[in-house]
Order: sequence, then structure tokens, then C-alpha cells
Amino acid sequence: QKEVEQNSGPLSVPEGAIASLNCTYSDRGSQSFFWYRQYSGKSPELIMFIYSNGDKEDGRFTAQLNKASQYVSLLIRDSQPSDSATYLCAVRSGGYNKLIFGAGTRLAVHP
Amino acid sequence: DAGVIQSPRHEVTEMGQEVTLRCKPISGHDYLFWYRQTMMRGLELLIYFNNNVPIDDSGMPEDRFSAKMPNASFSTLKIQPSEPRDSAVYFCASSTSEGRETQYFGPGTRLLVL
Repeated sequence: QKEVEQNSGPLSVPEGAIASLNCTYSDRGSQSFFWYRQYSGKSPELIMFIYSNGDKEDGRFTAQLNKASQYVSLLIRDSQPSDSATYLCAVRSGGYNKLIFGAGTRLAVHP
Repeated sequence: DAGVIQSPRHEVTEMGQEVTLRCKPISGHDYLFWYRQTMMRGLELLIYFNNNVPIDDSGMPEDRFSAKMPNASFSTLKIQPSEPRDSAVYFCASSTSEGRETQYFGPGTRLLVL
């Protein structure tokens, strides 16, 4: 079992819709969870991080964490074509600054 | 401020050759990370440094890979000898102790080993 699992997609949503990206992790001791966005041919950039169970909102983005279910998700409201990218879920596991990344979910927002 | 700088941006080499990738972290950042990204394995942490000291190199695939950080503003990742399966994009990232949640990634080096 992979440590961090994501559906590879592509997830296709129409412009203006809500995109829901999901991630599960295997290490129950994980405490910090991250969502990165990566455009094709570019480097990953951090969108959000979350520590506590529940929701965390930042603009059009909401991260949701459920530690009991070992599940973290990212909601993108009012999806735009510019949101089309691969979204990487990452979990801090083990070392102080060590991140374990999922394989990523490709999101396609069509006009 | 300049971000993380990596060189070269692209490297094409032949199997058996030595490859050296370079990284300059953001000034003032005391953590530096080397990642490798492939379609098959995704984004993997190879090694990371804190204050120029290697902390965790458990992701380094084998002895052909080595990394150094001689000072706070420079790090190298060396592959010797290179093999076709080393073809990947190699990213360097840096962060601070205080802002450790945010790792800033460089543009990456796209390596192709023929």
C-alpha cells in the first residue's frame, strides 16, 4: 500500500463548478497535510496546509481533514480553466521536514 | 527576491557519464531538499539538509547518488555513473525553520540519460 494515495484522474469539471480532490494516507501518526499545485512543465507550489480535523478555507480553496478516516481533500469553488493542473497531496511523515507526496490528480477545467 | 536557482535546466548525457546538478537556495533558508520526479514514481524526496548538514538521505536510491552542501548558498547532487533509469526531473527546494511548512521549489533540472 502506498503511503499517500490519490486518484490520478483526469478529473474533468466545467468552469464554475466545484472540483473535489481526494487523498488518503496510511500513517496514522501523520500530523501535517499539504496540497501543492503543479502546472505542466513547472515546479510544485504550495496551495494550503492543514493540521486539525475539519475545514480550512483560503479564497476559493478549502482543505478538509478527517484523521479518523485518514482522509484529506481539497475543494476548489468556482473552478477556472487556469486551475487546470496536477494537484499533489503531501503528508509530513517521519522526519521533521520530510514530506511524502501522492502521485497527484490531474484536474481539467473546461469552459 | 530570487527564488531557488537550479542549473542546468536541461541535461542530456550518455550512460556511464557523471552528472552534477546544482542548487542555490533562497537566501536565509536553512533547509534544503532534493527531490526526483518521474511518471512512474511521482515526486520523491532524495535527501535533505539542515544548516548544511545532511539529515535524512534514506531516499537516495543507491551509491551512485551523492549530495553535498559545502555552504549555505550552494548544494550539488551528483550521479556517477549515470544510467537511463535516472532520467527524471530533479527539483531542489528550500525552507526556513520558522516557515517550515512552506517549501519553495526551484524550476527543476530535466535529466535525460541515453
